Amino acid sequence: GAGVSQSPSNKVTEKGKDVELRCDPISGHTALYWYRQSLGQGLEFLIYFQGNSAPDKSGLPSDRFSAERTGGSVSTLTIQRTQQEDSAVYLCASSTRPGRGEKLFFGSGTQLSVL
Amino acid sequence: AQKVTQAQTEISVVEKEDVTLDCVYETRDTTYYLFWYKQPPSGELVFLIRRNSFDEQNEISGRYSWNFQKSTSSFNFTITASQVVDSAVYFCVSGGARQLTFGSGTQLTVLP
Repeated sequence: GAGVSQSPSNKVTEKGKDVELRCDPISGHTALYWYRQSLGQGLEFLIYFQGNSAPDKSGLPSDRFSAERTGGSVSTLTIQRTQQEDSAVYLCASSTRPGRGEKLFFGSGTQLSVL
Repeated sequence: AQKVTQAQTEISVVEKEDVTLDCVYETRDTTYYLFWYKQPPSGELVFLIRRNSFDEQNEISGRYSWNFQKSTSSFNFTITASQVVDSAVYFCVSGGARQLTFGSGTQLTVLP
């Protein structure tokens, strides 16, 4: 597609349930990032994928969070046993040449609400 | 580690006023990049500008201008003759080799 696509755009779940958030980056972009934005806050880095390299998971807040990227393209962020503090907008971004100051292209995000 | 400080949480101006958004960054990297992103009410972040650490040339693009000063670790952003459509959250961002560090953002409201 022309841009970064994220689905679903909104997700409401009950505390304790698992959720999966999907990101489809721009074709040909080797780098993919997940960020979390809580209400009125900046973006919090979660995880970064670059090609076939091991992902940088340093931003994942707990072991309930995991992500994978299949075939170097689509990525899924999974949150297990969701908690109310997980409520936020989850943003995905992709770029062509990470580490060279290339701009990120962001998706519209998934608004996650944990009741 | 990198840190970006945007001291202004919210700014309101009347249309056609000039407005400057402040940004102070901290980094130990010798090579780094600085960005400004805009997040309108629709939510999707939009890239505005990128500067690298070895190029302090300031830039003007239409109504936007940027002032990068390594001596004060600042990367300020000015909108001239603001318009209502400029209302958004503006994020200053610092980046090294991999991840980007976002400031907490400045909510700009331009009133008609």
